[in-house]
Amino acid sequence: GIQVEQSPPDLILQEGANSTLRCNFSDSVNNLQWFHQNPWGQLINLFYIPSGTKQNGRLSATTVATERYSLLYISSSQTTDSGVYFCASAGGTSYGKLTFGQGTILTVHP
Amino acid sequence: KAGVTQTPRYLIKTRGQQVTLSCSPISGHRSVSWYQQTPGQGLQFLFEYFSETQRNKGNFPGRFSGRQFSNSRSEMNVSTLELGDSALYLCASSGQGGGEAFFGQGTRLTVV
Repeated sequence: GIQVEQSPPDLILQEGANSTLRCNFSDSVNNLQWFHQNPWGQLINLFYIPSGTKQNGRLSATTVATERYSLLYISSSQTTDSGVYFCASAGGTSYGKLTFGQGTILTVHP
Repeated sequence: KAGVTQTPRYLIKTRGQQVTLSCSPISGHRSVSWYQQTPGQGLQFLFEYFSETQRNKGNFPGRFSGRQFSNSRSEMNVSTLELGDSALYLCASSGQGGGEAFFGQGTRLTVV
């Protein structure tokens, strides 16, 4: 099956800084999503982005499917951005089977 | 539009017991997937149901089973609970052809 690797595993920032999270996947995908897990465990959808570029406020994401990676950009970070960010993908006929990376733990200090 | 609803939110069970978790998908979604999250193993796929049929299955023992009803609601059952089954169980729903998955709030199971 698809392998998903995220980097870096941990990221510590000062409020106002920008950051880039990376997700590498091992095969062609029909689904690539970015999530933020809140303190209560729920996965909050950030982007559904199997290819191309999307932006939502201070967050944007780019997936280069031919090179098998995706990037999540966070600009002007805030303390409320802290938490765990996951990338997940699915490929082939495994529509409902998401493979998750190990996550990036982001800590934003005031 | 209501989101994905999981019940119960918290559960404490004793080793050897069995447990049933429930997941109601977003209206119109026919695919329901289940995931287990533990500190050591991360988020792992359990199984996916689509139109009452198991379409994909992860690498979990047979003690983990599931089903889906005609209204797309799904249940997951774990029999003969072990301490290692303590985890956050998440379910997700998506449309017919895959697409974006949406997750419920999860059920936190503690086995003592």
